[in-house]
Amino acid sequence: NAGVTQTPKFQVLKTGQSMTLQCAQDMNHNSMYWYRQDPGMGLRLIYYSASEGTTDKGEVPNGYNVSRLNKREFSLRLESAAPSQTSVYFCASSGLTSPDTQYFGPGTRLTVL
Amino acid sequence: AQSVTQPDIHITVSEGASLELRCNYSYGATPYLFWYVQSPGQGLQLLLKYFSGDTLVQGIKGFEAEFKRSQSSFNLRKPSVHWSDAAEYFCAVGARDTDKLIFGTGTRLQVFP
Repeated sequence: NAGVTQTPKFQVLKTGQSMTLQCAQDMNHNSMYWYRQDPGMGLRLIYYSASEGTTDKGEVPNGYNVSRLNKREFSLRLESAAPSQTSVYFCASSGLTSPDTQYFGPGTRLTVL
Repeated sequence: AQSVTQPDIHITVSEGASLELRCNYSYGATPYLFWYVQSPGQGLQLLLKYFSGDTLVQGIKGFEAEFKRSQSSFNLRKPSVHWSDAAEYFCAVGARDTDKLIFGTGTRLQVFP
């Protein structure tokens, strides 16, 4: 049981480049989330998906898009990266009750130059 | 709107000393409360959660937290800290029928031998 996996672990981009962060969970969870973590600001929700085929904006969605490919996978795309998007990105998933414990991946450290 | 405040950005304790990390929340109804721990370079791991019932909640690694409705608090405690407890600790609040959690900005714990 791998839990929540994220790829890549590290990434360096130049301003204007695009990339997709991948997330997968093997716990049969309905809900999945993308957060960014910045020093002194805790975790801020970017997007979440309550079920396959649905996505909703969180607190800081600007500059990001998401895809809930199937129940297992939830990807985050940066179309045109900016230095302000330099952060650590975490994917999480949670089960059937609302709210429920969220299980986190190991994170992706992204630097935009 | 829900909010979470962790007043202490950084706490330093000696190994073997007791610990209390503060968390205050703002929410109109009964909140669902969580404490997570993040070791350096890792994702977040659940320590404990409160949904209802007994207001003193036991978690993993010898941690406990007490829900005090009158003070809108959910402070985390440990009677004797170990060097391996050095990490960042996040309090989070959720509400019934929503999948989303609101995280505090975190408290970094440093442990001296």
